[in-house]
Amino acid sequence: AQSVTQLGSHVSVSEGALVLLRCNYSSSVPPYLFWYVQYPNQGLQLLLKYTSAATLVKGINGFEAEFKKSETSFHLTKPSAHMSDAAEYFCAVSYYNQGGKLIFGQGTELSVKP
Amino acid sequence: DGGITQSPKYLFRKEGQNVTLSCEQNLNHDAMYWYRQDPGQGLRLIYYSQIVNDFQKGDIAEGYSVSREKKESFPLTVTSAQKNPTAFYLCASSRTGQGAAETQYFGPGTRLLVL
Repeated sequence: AQSVTQLGSHVSVSEGALVLLRCNYSSSVPPYLFWYVQYPNQGLQLLLKYTSAATLVKGINGFEAEFKKSETSFHLTKPSAHMSDAAEYFCAVSYYNQGGKLIFGQGTELSVKP
Repeated sequence: DGGITQSPKYLFRKEGQNVTLSCEQNLNHDAMYWYRQDPGQGLRLIYYSQIVNDFQKGDIAEGYSVSREKKESFPLTVTSAQKNPTAFYLCASSRTGQGAAETQYFGPGTRLLVL
């Protein structure tokens, strides 16, 4: 079955440190990949998405992610964390033969310490 | 401003009661979706609709019903058959619902609590 795994339900970093949130998918067919961010009691906002163009994708708020087919991964990074980055982050996938349906990972809550 | 609105922000349900969550979009999108969010479980698809007067069950449709009579509206009813309805419910829309690369845009959510 197709699935998405986010390693670590909670990640804590210091302000100014590197942010690394991990996402792996399980399928033999490369999917389209998305990262969304959710602030408390709000909806989700798209950070970035991979749609089979460049493997390094740049998104909003200084985030970027790299698609690595050999590792079935799409990890999210940001060089320097800011307090405003504290939120929950979701990785999601979709497949060409399933229309617009998204499959979400469990989410990773990012805390940023001053 | 274009976007998705959900109402109410908080909703309380009594035992045996049906409740309806509203979702409206003015983005002129064809496709709309309902998700349920529980802590530590990500988002799970309840129902989706790719066109007016048509909708399909998602992964957890039991105890829920929807209608799609207008392009801009996709209300979700949580019926008394849903035994554990306490959750955060999110509505989303996308341009066509046909392309796997399409972005889904989300509303602010409705938190449903059981009295």
